[in-house]
Amino acid sequence: DIQMTQSPSSLSASVGDRVTITCRASQGIRNDLGWYQQKPGKAPKRLIYAAVTLQSGVPSRFSGSGSGTEFTLTISSLQPEDFATYYCLQHNTYPPTFGPGTTVDIK
Amino acid sequence: QVVLRQWGAGLLKPSETLSLTCAVYGESFSGYYWTWIRQPPGKGLEWIGEINHSGSTNYNPSLKSRVTISVDTSKNQFSLKLRSVSAADAAVYYCARKVAVRPFDYWGQGTLVTVSS
Repeated sequence: DIQMTQSPSSLSASVGDRVTITCRASQGIRNDLGWYQQKPGKAPKRLIYAAVTLQSGVPSRFSGSGSGTEFTLTISSLQPEDFATYYCLQHNTYPPTFGPGTTVDIK
Repeated sequence: QVVLRQWGAGLLKPSETLSLTCAVYGESFSGYYWTWIRQPPGKGLEWIGEINHSGSTNYNPSLKSRVTISVDTSKNQFSLKLRSVSAADAAVYYCARKVAVRPFDYWGQGTLVTVSS
């Protein structure tokens, strides 16, 4: 299986901060990567697919970059509703695998 | 608007079979893979497997010996069976839709499955 790692595992930030989360794959996955946001008790919500494409309806403060083995999710100006856990997902190779998650909480 | 609605037994005893069903509303059933994903309490997400409208399946090797995913296209529904459950199978189980290069855009509401004797 392709192993996905994320850093940091958690971070504390303030409203208005720029936040960057990194996801690394154990082998190259081209751009077959998505980013998901999950709030407590809710299903994950897709933010980004194909590494850089913003899901329709997702605010433009979210952006994705990267290809191959290293990817980033950036929130340009953190808003109160962005406090959540973020997961990356690779779907290049079966089985699809998720990163362990990054929890963003309020400083 | 695509809606996935899921249901099934939430409390099982060890060695029993987990059985969940997911119904798809507002979208054609064909052209997609329909997926099951689980999340143990406080932990990350694990892909279980998927099925398309013609019944072609892919399973996670870690669960393959115990999992069956089936489809009922007449009802726009797909189902998960996981045999011989143990405490390690306790999780919130989600159904989700996969488009080939844009997986998991729509999700069910989740079903909490507890395993206890």
